[in-house]
Amino acid sequence: QKEVEQNSGPLSVPEGAIASLNCTYSDRGSQSFFWYRQYSGKSPELIMSIYSNGDKEDGRFTAQLNKASQYVSLLIRDSQPSDSATYLCAVTTGRRALTFGSGTRLQVQP
Amino acid sequence: DAGVTQSPTHLIKTRGQHVTLRCSPISGHKSVSWYQQVLGQGPQFIFQYYEKEERGRGNFPDRFSARQFPNYSSELNVNALLLGDSALYLCASSLEGIGNTIYFGEGSWLTVV
Repeated sequence: QKEVEQNSGPLSVPEGAIASLNCTYSDRGSQSFFWYRQYSGKSPELIMSIYSNGDKEDGRFTAQLNKASQYVSLLIRDSQPSDSATYLCAVTTGRRALTFGSGTRLQVQP
Repeated sequence: DAGVTQSPTHLIKTRGQHVTLRCSPISGHKSVSWYQQVLGQGPQFIFQYYEKEERGRGNFPDRFSARQFPNYSSELNVNALLLGDSALYLCASSLEGIGNTIYFGEGSWLTVV
């Protein structure tokens, strides 16, 4: 079992729709959770971090964390073609380096 | 403010050669991490340094080594290059030690032929 699992996609959504990206993790001691966006040929860029159960909103992005289910998700509202990228989920217990999933490729169709 | 800077951005090496990659963290950040990202995969942790001391090491062979200098910049060295070392090498900085939010540089694309 991988430590951080993501569906590789591609996840295809029409422009203006909500994109839902999911991530599960295996270490119950995980305390900090991050979403990074990576455009093709570029390095990952931090979008959001979340540390407590529940939702955290930042503009069009909402991160959701459920530690009991070991599940973290990212919702992108009003998806735009410029959101087309690979989204990486990263997890840490705080005592280890961030562990990344393989990423989900999102395609937003105009 | 300058972000994380890495050099070189692209390089091509031959099998068996040695490579040195360099990184300068965000001003005020004392920790540097190195990650390897192979095409189609997420970044894999190689090393983390905080205040010039190694604070974490990933599952990479001894051909990989790193160090951090008094000005918090860092070098990643890879000896006896293999074709499988071809990847994007990412440097990330953070304010403090392991487990904190990290910010990536643009990366160094290494091709081994």
